[in-house]
Amino acid sequence: IAGITQAPTSQILAAGRRMTLRCTQDMRHNAMYWYRQDLGLGLRLIHYSNTAGTTGKGEVPDGYSVSRANTDDFPLTLASAVPSQTSVYFCASSVLAGDTGELFFGEGSRLTVL
Amino acid sequence: GQNIDQPTEMTATEGAIVQINCTYQTSGFNGLFWYQQHAGEAPTFLSYNVLDGLEEKGRFSSFLSRSKGYSYLLLKELQMKDSASYLCAALDSNYQLIWGAGTKLIIKP
Repeated sequence: IAGITQAPTSQILAAGRRMTLRCTQDMRHNAMYWYRQDLGLGLRLIHYSNTAGTTGKGEVPDGYSVSRANTDDFPLTLASAVPSQTSVYFCASSVLAGDTGELFFGEGSRLTVL
Repeated sequence: GQNIDQPTEMTATEGAIVQINCTYQTSGFNGLFWYQQHAGEAPTFLSYNVLDGLEEKGRFSSFLSRSKGYSYLLLKELQMKDSASYLCAALDSNYQLIWGAGTKLIIKP
Protein backbone atom coordinates (compact mmCIF):
# COMPACT_ATOMS: atom_id res chain seq x y z
CA ILE A 1 0.00 0.00 0.00
CA ALA A 2 1.51 3.30 -1.09
CA GLY A 3 1.93 6.00 1.50
CA ILE A 4 3.83 6.80 4.66
CA THR A 5 4.72 4.26 7.30
CA GLN A 6 5.64 5.27 10.83
CA ALA A 7 7.06 3.12 13.61
CA PRO A 8 6.51 2.53 16.40
CA THR A 9 2.77 3.19 16.63
CA SER A 10 3.02 3.74 20.35
CA GLN A 11 5.87 3.82 22.86
CA ILE A 12 6.34 4.50 26.55
CA LEU A 13 9.78 5.81 27.32
CA ALA A 14 11.70 6.68 30.47
CA ALA A 15 13.00 10.24 30.69
CA GLY A 16 16.60 10.52 29.60
CA ARG A 17 16.41 7.68 27.10
CA ARG A 18 17.20 8.06 23.43
CA MET A 19 14.42 7.30 20.97
CA THR A 20 14.17 7.24 17.18
CA LEU A 21 10.83 7.45 15.41
CA ARG A 22 10.99 5.96 11.94
CA CYS A 23 9.27 7.28 8.86
CA THR A 24 9.34 5.78 5.37
CA GLN A 25 7.46 6.87 2.26
CA ASP A 26 7.15 5.12 -1.09
CA MET A 27 5.64 7.95 -3.11
CA ARG A 28 9.00 9.43 -4.15
CA HIS A 29 8.00 12.75 -2.62
CA ASN A 30 10.78 15.31 -2.34
CA ALA A 31 9.66 17.01 0.86
CA MET A 32 9.14 15.42 4.26
CA TYR A 33 8.09 16.83 7.61
CA TRP A 34 7.78 15.94 11.27
CA TYR A 35 4.95 17.46 13.30
CA ARG A 36 3.83 17.05 16.86
CA GLN A 37 0.19 17.32 17.85
CA ASP A 38 -0.85 18.23 21.38
CA LEU A 39 -4.35 18.69 22.75
CA GLY A 40 -5.64 22.21 22.20
CA LEU A 41 -2.78 23.17 19.91
CA GLY A 42 -2.37 23.10 16.18
CA LEU A 43 0.13 20.85 14.47
CA ARG A 44 3.59 22.21 15.14
CA LEU A 45 6.46 21.65 12.74
CA ILE A 46 9.57 20.15 14.34
CA HIS A 47 11.89 19.63 11.38
CA TYR A 48 11.55 19.38 7.65
CA SER A 49 13.50 18.25 4.61
CA ASN A 50 13.00 19.83 1.20
CA THR A 51 14.95 17.12 -0.58
CA ALA A 52 17.26 14.22 0.21
CA GLY A 53 20.45 15.42 1.88
CA THR A 54 18.96 18.61 3.32
CA THR A 55 17.10 19.35 6.54
CA GLY A 56 15.77 22.44 8.27
CA LYS A 57 14.38 23.52 11.62
CA GLY A 58 10.71 24.13 12.14
CA GLU A 59 8.82 25.90 14.90
CA VAL A 60 9.80 23.58 17.78
CA PRO A 61 13.13 21.87 16.94
CA ASP A 62 14.81 21.83 20.36
CA GLY A 63 15.51 18.35 21.69
CA TYR A 64 14.98 16.73 18.28
CA SER A 65 17.21 15.87 15.34
CA VAL A 66 16.56 14.45 11.90
CA SER A 67 18.47 13.08 8.93
CA ARG A 68 17.55 12.55 5.29
CA ALA A 69 20.07 10.15 3.79
CA ASN A 70 17.74 9.16 0.96
CA THR A 71 14.38 10.12 -0.53
CA ASP A 72 12.34 7.53 1.34
CA ASP A 73 13.45 7.73 4.97
CA PHE A 74 13.21 10.58 7.47
CA PRO A 75 13.85 9.43 11.05
CA LEU A 76 13.29 11.69 14.05
CA THR A 77 15.55 11.26 17.07
CA LEU A 78 15.03 12.41 20.63
CA ALA A 79 18.52 12.41 22.11
CA SER A 80 17.42 12.51 25.74
CA ALA A 81 13.65 12.37 26.14
CA VAL A 82 11.84 14.68 28.58
CA PRO A 83 8.19 14.51 29.74
CA SER A 84 7.28 17.62 27.69
CA GLN A 85 7.99 15.56 24.58
CA THR A 86 4.97 13.40 25.34
CA SER A 87 2.87 13.89 22.23
CA VAL A 88 1.57 12.35 19.03
CA TYR A 89 4.11 12.65 16.26
CA PHE A 90 3.11 12.74 12.61
CA CYS A 91 5.42 12.33 9.66
CA ALA A 92 4.19 13.87 6.41
CA SER A 93 5.34 14.32 2.85
CA SER A 94 4.54 16.43 -0.17
CA VAL A 95 5.55 16.21 -3.81
CA LEU A 96 7.61 19.39 -3.66
CA ALA A 97 8.75 21.69 -0.89
CA GLY A 98 7.08 25.05 -0.71
CA ASP A 99 4.31 24.17 -3.11
CA THR A 100 0.57 24.30 -2.66
CA GLY A 101 -0.03 20.61 -2.85
CA GLU A 102 -1.52 18.52 -0.13
CA LEU A 103 0.38 16.86 2.65
CA PHE A 104 0.19 13.11 3.07
CA PHE A 105 0.43 11.98 6.69
CA GLY A 106 1.52 8.79 8.37
CA GLU A 107 -0.71 7.24 10.99
CA GLY A 108 1.21 8.80 13.85
CA SER A 109 3.43 7.66 16.71
CA ARG A 110 2.10 8.16 20.22
CA LEU A 111 5.00 8.77 22.58
CA THR A 112 4.73 8.93 26.35
CA VAL A 113 7.79 10.05 28.33
CA LEU A 114 7.68 9.27 32.03
CA GLY B 1 2.49 37.10 14.97
CA GLN B 2 0.80 34.50 12.85
CA ASN B 3 -2.46 33.06 14.07
CA ILE B 4 -5.32 30.81 13.04
CA ASP B 5 -8.62 30.88 14.93
CA GLN B 6 -11.39 28.31 14.68
CA PRO B 7 -14.05 27.15 17.14
CA THR B 8 -12.98 24.40 19.49
CA GLU B 9 -16.11 22.30 19.17
CA MET B 10 -19.40 22.26 17.27
CA THR B 11 -22.44 20.00 17.41
CA ALA B 12 -24.82 19.30 14.54
CA THR B 13 -27.60 16.88 13.65
CA GLU B 14 -27.38 14.08 11.11
CA GLY B 15 -28.74 15.24 7.76
CA ALA B 16 -28.27 18.93 8.55
CA ILE B 17 -25.75 21.52 7.31
CA VAL B 18 -22.88 22.92 9.36
CA GLN B 19 -20.41 25.73 8.67
CA ILE B 20 -17.00 25.73 10.36
CA ASN B 21 -15.31 29.12 10.33
CA CYS B 22 -11.62 29.93 10.29
CA THR B 23 -9.90 33.31 10.50
CA TYR B 24 -6.23 33.75 9.82
CA GLN B 25 -3.47 36.30 10.24
CA THR B 26 -0.27 35.40 8.43
CA SER B 27 2.82 37.05 7.01
CA GLY B 28 1.80 36.87 3.40
CA PHE B 29 -0.66 34.33 2.10
CA ASN B 30 -0.43 31.51 -0.41
CA GLY B 31 -3.61 29.63 0.23
CA LEU B 32 -5.83 27.99 2.81
CA PHE B 33 -6.18 24.27 3.46
CA TRP B 34 -8.80 22.21 5.24
CA TYR B 35 -8.01 18.75 6.58
CA GLN B 36 -10.21 16.17 8.26
CA GLN B 37 -8.91 14.13 11.17
CA HIS B 38 -10.86 11.28 12.74
CA ALA B 39 -10.00 10.48 16.34
CA GLY B 40 -6.76 8.54 16.58
CA GLU B 41 -6.05 8.84 12.87
CA ALA B 42 -3.95 10.95 10.54
CA PRO B 43 -5.21 14.19 8.96
CA THR B 44 -6.44 13.82 5.39
CA PHE B 45 -6.72 16.57 2.80
CA LEU B 46 -10.13 18.07 2.05
CA SER B 47 -9.60 21.29 0.15
CA TYR B 48 -7.30 24.09 -0.91
CA ASN B 49 -8.38 27.66 -1.75
CA VAL B 50 -6.15 30.44 -2.98
CA LEU B 51 -8.67 32.61 -4.83
CA ASP B 52 -11.74 34.25 -3.33
CA GLY B 53 -14.95 32.33 -3.64
CA LEU B 54 -16.59 29.02 -3.05
CA GLU B 55 -15.26 25.68 -4.20
CA GLU B 56 -17.62 22.75 -4.06
CA LYS B 57 -16.58 19.14 -3.82
CA GLY B 58 -19.51 16.81 -3.27
CA ARG B 59 -21.06 17.36 0.16
CA PHE B 60 -18.15 19.58 1.21
CA SER B 61 -17.55 23.16 0.10
CA SER B 62 -14.84 25.61 1.10
CA PHE B 63 -15.00 29.39 0.91
CA LEU B 64 -12.25 31.99 1.04
CA SER B 65 -12.22 35.76 1.46
CA ARG B 66 -8.63 37.01 1.27
CA SER B 67 -9.58 40.60 2.11
CA LYS B 68 -11.23 39.47 5.35
CA GLY B 69 -8.71 36.76 6.25
CA TYR B 70 -11.61 34.35 6.50
CA SER B 71 -12.55 30.90 5.32
CA TYR B 72 -15.26 28.42 6.06
CA LEU B 73 -15.90 24.76 5.44
CA LEU B 74 -19.50 23.86 4.68
CA LEU B 75 -20.66 20.30 5.20
CA LYS B 76 -24.06 19.32 3.81
CA GLU B 77 -26.25 16.27 4.43
CA LEU B 78 -24.26 15.41 7.50
CA GLN B 79 -23.51 11.77 8.16
CA MET B 80 -22.34 10.15 11.37
CA LYS B 81 -18.99 9.43 9.72
CA ASP B 82 -18.43 13.19 9.45
CA SER B 83 -17.78 13.26 13.19
CA ALA B 84 -14.14 14.32 13.26
CA SER B 85 -11.86 17.27 13.83
CA TYR B 86 -11.48 19.75 11.00
CA LEU B 87 -8.14 21.51 10.75
CA CYS B 88 -7.67 24.87 9.06
CA ALA B 89 -4.16 25.76 7.88
CA ALA B 90 -2.83 28.82 6.04
CA LEU B 91 0.25 28.88 3.84
CA ASP B 92 2.36 31.97 4.58
CA SER B 93 4.72 33.93 2.34
CA ASN B 94 7.52 31.40 3.03
CA TYR B 95 5.21 28.54 2.07
CA GLN B 96 5.13 27.38 5.67
CA LEU B 97 1.83 26.01 6.97
CA ILE B 98 0.31 27.68 10.01
CA TRP B 99 -2.20 25.35 11.65
CA GLY B 100 -5.29 26.04 13.71
CA ALA B 101 -6.01 23.86 16.75
CA GLY B 102 -8.91 22.20 14.95
CA THR B 103 -12.68 22.12 15.37
CA LYS B 104 -14.15 18.96 16.82
CA LEU B 105 -17.47 18.29 15.09
CA ILE B 106 -19.95 16.09 16.92
CA ILE B 107 -22.84 14.69 14.89
CA LYS B 108 -25.95 13.62 16.76
CA PRO B 109 -28.61 11.29 15.32
